[in-house]
Amino acid sequence: AQKITQTQPGMFVQEKEAVTLDCTYDTSDPSYGLFWYKQPSSGEMIFLIYQGSYDQQNATEGRYSLNFQKARKSANLVISASQLGDSAMYFCAMREVGNTGGFKTIFGAGTRLFVKA
Amino acid sequence: NAGVTQTPKFQVLKTGQSMTLQCAQDMNHNSMYWYRQDPGMGLRLIYYSASEGTTDKGEVPNGYNVSRLNKREFSLRLESAAPSQTSVYFCASSVRTGNTGELFFGEGSRLTVL
Repeated sequence: AQKITQTQPGMFVQEKEAVTLDCTYDTSDPSYGLFWYKQPSSGEMIFLIYQGSYDQQNATEGRYSLNFQKARKSANLVISASQLGDSAMYFCAMREVGNTGGFKTIFGAGTRLFVKA
Repeated sequence: NAGVTQTPKFQVLKTGQSMTLQCAQDMNHNSMYWYRQDPGMGLRLIYYSASEGTTDKGEVPNGYNVSRLNKREFSLRLESAAPSQTSVYFCASSVRTGNTGELFFGEGSRLTVL
């Protein structure tokens, strides 16, 4: 069954430093996708980065990179050069093909990141 | 460009009352989703609709019903609201296959059941 685990309820990082947010997953579907979303205090959900299960290289989007270790079933988010605006809730998510076709996406519990000045 | 629109944004209900959350998207997406967000539990999938005419249960479907009215609209109904259904509800949409399947979210609907 699909499962996403984020074991860090909260993380602190100093401004301008890098931080890694952990995510592990479980699925029996060989074709799946992994996402990270950001939720600032205003509440909207913002897509950050995507990694497909067949992608050979780790995904990168600006200051965000996804450390994809398929054998370990982990998909950690690395934020480089943290900024105060990075303070938010971060969710790892996984999509696989559902029973009725199409994508079914589930989320982890989230990690709240605090960036200190 | 509206994207995904949810109504209402806020609602207070008494235990046992019924209500429907409405969701519409204008991105021509086939798939639509309803999630609830509770503190410490992330977003949990209630129901989803892979395409017009199909719906399927997610992780926490009990107490809810859905209707995929057409390609644009996907509604969530609480027949007899309970305090445990106090939550923030998000509607989302995505392409059905291909591409990344990135979710596009509405702004959320905050529901309180007294």
